[in-house]
Amino acid sequence: QKEVEQDPGPLSVPEGAIVSLNCTYSNSAFQYFMWYRQYSRKGPELLMYTYSSGNKEDGRFTAQVDKSSKYISLFIRDSQPSDSATYLCAMSGSGGGADGLTFGKGTHLIIQP
Amino acid sequence: DAGVIQSPRHEVTEMGQEVTLRCKPISGHNSLFWYRQTMMRGLELLIYFNNNVPIDDSGMPEDRFSAKMPNASFSTLKIQPSEPRDSAVYFCASSLVGTGNQPQHFGDGTRLSIL
Repeated sequence: QKEVEQDPGPLSVPEGAIVSLNCTYSNSAFQYFMWYRQYSRKGPELLMYTYSSGNKEDGRFTAQVDKSSKYISLFIRDSQPSDSATYLCAMSGSGGGADGLTFGKGTHLIIQP
Repeated sequence: DAGVIQSPRHEVTEMGQEVTLRCKPISGHNSLFWYRQTMMRGLELLIYFNNNVPIDDSGMPEDRFSAKMPNASFSTLKIQPSEPRDSAVYFCASSLVGTGNQPQHFGDGTRLSIL
């Protein structure tokens, strides 16, 4: 079993819809959780950075972490065609910058105009 | 602000040749990471440095791979000799670690093709 599982998609939704992306993990030592967005032929771009369980909101994006279930989610409200990209979840045991990240394989998201 | 800068952006070379990938981290960051991305395996950590010292190289696939960080503003990842299975996108990331760890920021990668 891979440490981090993420549905690769593609996930296709109409513009304006609420998008739900999620990851499950097996390593209970993970404490820091991140979501990165990656456009074609570009590097991953940090979207959300959270510590332990709970919710964090930033504009149209909400990240949720449920450590008891080892499950994290990213919600995108009022989705736009510019949100079309691959979304990668990532996690680490110490601060996200202090050691290497373990990534999911990414979900390819398509927002239809 | 300048982000993480990687060079070259693309590299095509023949099997057996030496390949050197370069990375300039964000100024002031003290940790640097090398990752490899493939369709089959996704993004995987190869090695990371803290204050120019290698901390964990357990992800380096073989002795053909080596990485150095001679100073705070430059790192290289070298493959010698290269093989077709090394074809992938190689990313460098940097972060600031200290009081209040900061997340990693990535460069745009080097797309490596070994023929």
